Amino acid sequence: EPEVTQTPSHQVTQMGQEVILRCVPISNHLYFYWYRQILGQKVEFLVSFYNNEISEKSEIFDDQFSVERPDGSNFTLKIRSTKLEDSAMYFCASSSSTDTQYFGPGTRLTVL
Amino acid sequence: QQQVKQSPQSLIVQKGGISIINCAYENTAFDYFPWYQQFPGKGPALLIAIRPDVSEKKEGRFTISFNKSAKQFSLHIMDSQPGDSATYFCAASIGGATNKLIFGTGTLLAVQP
Repeated sequence: EPEVTQTPSHQVTQMGQEVILRCVPISNHLYFYWYRQILGQKVEFLVSFYNNEISEKSEIFDDQFSVERPDGSNFTLKIRSTKLEDSAMYFCASSSSTDTQYFGPGTRLTVL
Repeated sequence: QQQVKQSPQSLIVQKGGISIINCAYENTAFDYFPWYQQFPGKGPALLIAIRPDVSEKKEGRFTISFNKSAKQFSLHIMDSQPGDSATYFCAASIGGATNKLIFGTGTLLAVQP
């Protein structure tokens, strides 16, 4: 069964450093998303991406965040200057035009 | 108005019992209501979903009941098993499955053998 994959599974970084979280969505999907989940809290929407552009973003997704689909298979989330409060589990998801969103296993980001 | 309220926060059920998790929303523009199951260290996985033109949807032991007038929907897990022990999130979106999901706060279910 096709699945969304994410790398790395755990990223530890120093405050102020840049991080790039990587995702490989399901191959025939057209819609891509990033969500985050702070430990013990609910899953929160960050951004959705379709047709090579952002279709919607939340208040959390400020100028420190960016997304990119650098080739036909990868989808990345970049945080330019990490803060302590960016520590969370980051989930990538993808969907086709008629189906629901399938989530990857997540990247745990720890900012020290 | 974009919130989805979920209860209870945690639930303990005996094996074979019925687990019931409830969600409520305010925004009548929501038109897609999925339930996700999440095991520790894993991403949320779609369990079952419903649209507001249907009052109930059943898949195996999992049933969604939807009350449009009350703006509530619930997940029923029949014959609960220890393997069902996980966190369950309700969610809602406007414009269907491809739009952003607004998640509830989650319910930690423990099914005791």
